[in-house]
Amino acid sequence: GAGVSQSPRYKVAKRGQDVALRCDPISGHVSLFWYQQALGQGPEFLTYFQNEAQLDKSGLPSDRFFAERPEGSVSTLKIQRTQQEDSAVYLCASSLGGGRSSYEQYFGPGTRLTVT
Amino acid sequence: SQQGEEDPQALSIQEGENATMNCSYKTSINNLQWYRQNSGRGLVHLILIRSNEREKHSGRLRVTLDTSKKSSSLLITASRAADTASYFCATDARTNAGKSTFGDGTTLTVKP
Repeated sequence: GAGVSQSPRYKVAKRGQDVALRCDPISGHVSLFWYQQALGQGPEFLTYFQNEAQLDKSGLPSDRFFAERPEGSVSTLKIQRTQQEDSAVYLCASSLGGGRSSYEQYFGPGTRLTVT
Repeated sequence: SQQGEEDPQALSIQEGENATMNCSYKTSINNLQWYRQNSGRGLVHLILIRSNEREKHSGRLRVTLDTSKKSSSLLITASRAADTASYFCATDARTNAGKSTFGDGTTLTVKP
């Protein structure tokens, strides 16, 4: 496709449920990023992949959050036992290069997660 | 805490006026990027400026970078109602390249 796509666009989960959020990056993009954006705030870094390798997961708020990119393309962010504070927009971005190269990040539309 | 902080938090101007937003950051960077986000939408990349650059232009956008002051500014000239959005700066720190750190943004309202 032409850009980064994310699904679902909206997700309502009851507290305690597990959710899985999908990101399809731009074809050929090496790097993939997940961000969490609370209402009225800027995106907060969660984790970063270069191909299938998860190089940085320092932003994951707890061990309930898990991300994978097994074939270096599509990525899934999984949140186990969701809590109300997990309610946010989850943004995925991809870029052509990675590491110490300065590459533009292309963002998907986000998944708005609401935990009730 | 966020690496970048935008100033002002909110800005309201008339169509045709110029809008200036500032971003300050704390640690040495590889590059700094500016993004726009319309309400309820994803982020759109505007400009990337590298640490060895001082100024970049793209259409009606002008970005400056002062690494000695750890600050950047985004100038939008001849603003339009369609420029109404939130604007974020994001830094890619030298010590943690690949990870962008965003500020909380400036909300710009351009009145027709």
